[in-house]
Amino acid sequence: GQNIDQPTEMTATEGAIVQINCTYQTSGFNGLFWYQQHAGEAPTFLSYNVLDGLEEKGRFSSFLSRSKGYSYLLLKELQMKDSASYLCAVRDLTGNYKLSFGAGTTVTVRA
Amino acid sequence: DGGITQSPKYLFRKEGQNVTLSCEQNLNHDAMYWYRQDPGQGLRLIYYSQIVNDFQKGDIAEGYSVSREKKESFPLTVTSAQKNPTAFYLCASSPRDGTDTQYFGPGTRLTVL
Repeated sequence: GQNIDQPTEMTATEGAIVQINCTYQTSGFNGLFWYQQHAGEAPTFLSYNVLDGLEEKGRFSSFLSRSKGYSYLLLKELQMKDSASYLCAVRDLTGNYKLSFGAGTTVTVRA
Repeated sequence: DGGITQSPKYLFRKEGQNVTLSCEQNLNHDAMYWYRQDPGQGLRLIYYSQIVNDFQKGDIAEGYSVSREKKESFPLTVTSAQKNPTAFYLCASSPRDGTDTQYFGPGTRLTVL
């Protein structure tokens, strides 16, 4: 199985930068996903990394290091609407490509 | 508009009753999934289906059942055998199989009284 760890909560100020770390252990890594989930709503897809390095998408970037079992999601120029839970999910090819999710990091953006 | 719909948004049932949660998608996706979300825990996979008339158990299938008679529909039945059914249930789909990105429906919050 997979052990996926991410911090429970983070708080930051509007306009600032926040980095959400995710560490994982898996026997057949086949990709890492980040989702954003507002309270009571569906998770929405943010990013996907399968090779080492940084993927940038506007204000959001995601980084992966497969050798370290480590990823982070970087949120820049924080806005109030970025207050949400951010879910890290790992795909494992030995588990028929199933996704395993971390518990999520709740980010609170303050004015 | 293409998307995944789940109904109802909120559902209340008495203990001991079976209940069926609806999930429909018009994205022409082959694969569909059911997850359960509890506070402080990651999403956990209940069942998934990669093709019509076929489905596999996920990590926490006990007390649940599914069917996949049509490509667009993947209903989940929460039976009375499920010990702790109160949770937020999320349906997802992906274009082909587990190698594709999964997209989620709006969820159904089930409360068993």
